[in-house]
Order: sequence, then structure tokens, then C-alpha cells
Amino acid sequence: DAKTTQPTSMDCAEGRAANLPCNHSTISGNEYVYWYRQIHSQGPQYIIHGLKNNETNEMASLIITEDRKSSTLILPHATLRDTAVYYCIVRVADYTGKLIFGQGTTLQVKP
Amino acid sequence: SAVISQKPSRDICQRGTSLTIQCQVDSQVTMMFWYRQQPGQSLTLIATANQGSEATYESGFVIDKFPISRPNLTFSTLTVSNMSPEDSSIYLCSASYRGPEAFFGQGTRLTVV
Repeated sequence: DAKTTQPTSMDCAEGRAANLPCNHSTISGNEYVYWYRQIHSQGPQYIIHGLKNNETNEMASLIITEDRKSSTLILPHATLRDTAVYYCIVRVADYTGKLIFGQGTTLQVKP
Repeated sequence: SAVISQKPSRDICQRGTSLTIQCQVDSQVTMMFWYRQQPGQSLTLIATANQGSEATYESGFVIDKFPISRPNLTFSTLTVSNMSPEDSSIYLCSASYRGPEAFFGQGTRLTVV
């Protein structure tokens, strides 16, 4: 699985969009980009995933660059409850559910 | 989705003893996994729990230290054996249905004294 690089921490004002970047310059053609988050004292939670097209669901949007070497997770209207560690994971779509976590980005949403 | 229950939610154990953590899923799942999260760190995959056969361990983890069972499609146990303070961590169970999403339990917070 390709390695990912994320900023260690970010702040965001409540109600504003939170844009979380992820670099994955060694991504292969058959690897997807997954995002999970871990709210304090809870297990990780799936957010979204994508291959090359932009994706949107009720939680977030995922923007993947044309060369697929980087992506951005967008939380359109961040709330205090979005304060969490966000993990960007690149892996093949073998659907095993096996995940290799990096260090992630700690997002602090401030009032 | 899958609801995953872990027991115990937390425990304080004496060094040299063993603790078995249980993971129950509310429906039959294809894959089950065990992760460790050391204080202030990210999650590290310990092993894949295989139904009816020996677990598949990741590099750095061995069966003698972390024996795992998975007798059916909804239940698995992880034992942390001969514990030392370095084993103090959160242990998390995860499950998936062969889709893109993996589900996690709330974790078991283990403190070894």
C-alpha cells in the first residue's frame, strides 16, 4: 500500500469548511484513497473513499487531483463534534477491510 | 452497518497475567481484525482473525503473545499474554463485509501495573 503524508494538526472555525490534505505520490493505479476519523475515546469511523473521481456523501467530499498524487477531504460546515484525528489511507480495493493507519491529522474545530 | 461490542471496556491487570478480550458483532461478517493503539499513537494492525483456523499475524506480533480465536462469523477473542507495562494500550476489534467500509468497536483500554 502506498505511503501517505498528512499534516500533524489543523484548526478550523466552527461553521467553516475544513479542508484536510493528503499526499500519496506513490499511489498505484488500482489503489483507492480512504478516509477514516477517530473521535476521542472511540473506534475509527469510515468517512468516504474514491479512486479518481471526486466523491461526496452526507459526511464529506473527497477531491482527488488529476494525477492522483494528492487528495483533500472537505467537511463543508465543521462543527465541534468534527474534532477528531483524520486518517488518509491508500489501499487496493481487495475489500478485505484490512487497514494500515498512518499518524493522521488532528483537526481541532474551534468556536 | 455492523455494531461491534467489546468486553471488557477497560481493565487494570497485574504484570505477568493474561487478559482475554471478547469481540461480538451483531451480524455475520466476512473479516475480523485486531488492532493495538498505544498511548498517543495511531492504530497498528495485530492480526486478521480467520474463522476456524489460525490467525494471520502482522510483522512484530506473534501467536504466543497474542493468541486469537474466531470460532464463528460473529465472535472473536484476543488474549494478551504474560503482560508487561508496555502492553498498556487500547485494543480494538474491527470487522468488514467485503465492502469498502470497516467497522470498529469502542476498544478495550488496558493498563498493566
